[in-house]
Order: sequence, then C-alpha cells, then structure tokens
Amino acid sequence: GENVEQHPSTLSVQEGDSAVIKCTYSDSASNYFPWYKQELGKRPQLIIDIRSNVGEKKDQRIAVTLNKTAKHFSLHITETQPEDSAVYFCAASRANAGKSTFGDGTTLTVKP
Amino acid sequence: DAGVIQSPRHEVTEMGQEVTLRCKPISGHDYLFWYRQTMMRGLELLIYFNNNVPIDDSGMPEDRFSAKMPNASFSTLKIQPSEPRDSAVYFCASSRDRVYNEQFFGPGTRLTVL
Repeated sequence: GENVEQHPSTLSVQEGDSAVIKCTYSDSASNYFPWYKQELGKRPQLIIDIRSNVGEKKDQRIAVTLNKTAKHFSLHITETQPEDSAVYFCAASRANAGKSTFGDGTTLTVKP
Repeated sequence: DAGVIQSPRHEVTEMGQEVTLRCKPISGHDYLFWYRQTMMRGLELLIYFNNNVPIDDSGMPEDRFSAKMPNASFSTLKIQPSEPRDSAVYFCASSRDRVYNEQFFGPGTRLTVL
C-alpha cells in the first residue's frame, strides 16, 4: 500500500520567516495530495491541495509543489505568523481509492 | 450544512465497559472514515465506508473494535471491552469525491478509559 513520509517532525521559525515541510510517497499511481492543518484541540482542516497534473499551486501565503518523478511534494508558508502554529499533515491519495494516506505530521511553532 | 457531527464530545469510562461513538456525516457525502489520534501513533485510519459498505477495516486494532453504518446519515464505532490503551481522540470524517477526496472532519470524541 501507499506509504507517506513527512519531514521534519517539528519545526520552529521566527515570525516573518518561511517554513517548508516535505513529504515523499511510494505509490506512483497517487494523483491527489492534500495538506491539512490541525490547531491545538481542534480538528484537521484542509488548507490546500494539489493534483498530479499540476506542478505548483499557490494560495496567498501558502504554496504546494509537486515533483512526480521524485515522488515528493512540499508545503511552503511565507511570512509566517503566530497563528500559523499548528500540526500540518500531508496526505496522498490514489485515483479511485477513496481514501488518503496521511503522513505523521509536522508541529510548526512560529515565535513572535 | 452543520458539518460532520460527532457525539459524545468527551467520554470517560472504566476499563471493561462498552463504549459507543457516533457520527453523522455531511449530507451527500458517500465516504465515511473513522480515525484514532494519539501522540504516540499519530492519525490512524481505522475503517472507512463507501455508500454504507465497509471497504477497508485493516486499521481496526483488534476484535474489540467494531463499526457499523446502518444508513447514509449515521455510523457508530464500538469498543467492547474498553482498555486504558484505547484512550485517544476519535475523529469521524466524510468526503464526497472518490478521486479528489477532500475530507471534512468532525470535532472528535476524546475518550478516556480509566
């Protein structure tokens, strides 16, 4: 089955700096890559996703890049703010599988 | 829509007792997922349903766990008998699309087994 590895497990940055979280996947048939943000005590919520026919997608301060050849994708957050502090999960989904395989999560701390 | 609804939000029980967690997915969503989240094991997929039919239950830890979906608007996750190591936050999620399956999570049930 699909295996998703996520790095780093923890990340601490200064407010205003950029943060990058990287994930690799094993199943070359995966074609959908969502990212979820989970604030402390809350539920995971989708913040951005990318499909395999696109190499990059941007939404304000967050962007995701996908390298299908290398089977890895990354989340980029620019101009970080304290409210970006949360656990971020990447996931990969195979076409028609109906489910996503999640990474282990990255705890991002943005220091004011 | 009210989103995915879970009940109870908190459950404290004693070892050996039966626990039933409940979930109402978003109307029109054909997929329903049950996850368990702990610090040690992260977010684990326990089981998921498509059109009320269990598709993959390979994540269910052992026979003490069972899940049902009697209709499109209701699902239960039951633990019998419960053990302290079952203490976790249990999330239910639903999605509409089989291919680009953005999942909408419920608020979770925090289970504590004493």
